[in-house]
Amino acid sequence: DADVTQTPRNRITKTGKRIMLECSQTKGHDRMYWYRQDPGLGLRLIYYSFDVKDINKGEISDGYSVSRQAQAKFSLSLESAIPNQTALYFCATGPARLNTGELFFGEGSRLTVL
Amino acid sequence: AQTVTQSQPEMSVQEAETVTLSCTYDTSESNYYLFWYKQPPSRQMILVIRQEAYKQQNATENRFSVNFQKAAKSFSLKISDSQLGDTAMYFCAFMKRFGNEKLTFGTGTRLTIIP
Repeated sequence: DADVTQTPRNRITKTGKRIMLECSQTKGHDRMYWYRQDPGLGLRLIYYSFDVKDINKGEISDGYSVSRQAQAKFSLSLESAIPNQTALYFCATGPARLNTGELFFGEGSRLTVL
Repeated sequence: AQTVTQSQPEMSVQEAETVTLSCTYDTSESNYYLFWYKQPPSRQMILVIRQEAYKQQNATENRFSVNFQKAAKSFSLKISDSQLGDTAMYFCAFMKRFGNEKLTFGTGTRLTIIP
């Protein structure tokens, strides 16, 4: 099983629907991140959390919210999805002491909003 | 705020040839990491190579090496003896050390290895 698991892997939904993307990890990491990937724009940071009680906005947080239910779980919600939120979403994790700087990525969740 | 620029949206090279992907960045930080990530068609993000800014020696990982020019804020990736499996999107990324660590990515270079 993957160390960083994202569900669903693929989802098609309609404008106005509420969507939750879930991320769980078995690496024991404190830091968790949500990124969005769009063609030609690379990956951009939506939200990040350095521990269960710490939530921070990234560069493109508008239209999104997150919940850190436990050390191992970090969910991203779209309260009312719109077509320009169609993208590939990645969860990433890292240890409390980022000695190498390396983050570990899930396999991505492709979201299509019609 | 940090920015990362990849000026080559697409590149192609013949199998077994050498190819260099460019990356420049802008930061006022002195202590940071630089990374190259590979994203094959499977869409998995795979770390290719990592460089710590305080190290002058360029990082190498088998066929992959970097040319790190700190003063010029340049961080290019060289792939030697390219293989079909190297076909992927490549992202350059920056992370500040010691506080509020998060990755800032470039826009990516799509590399195609031609048989």
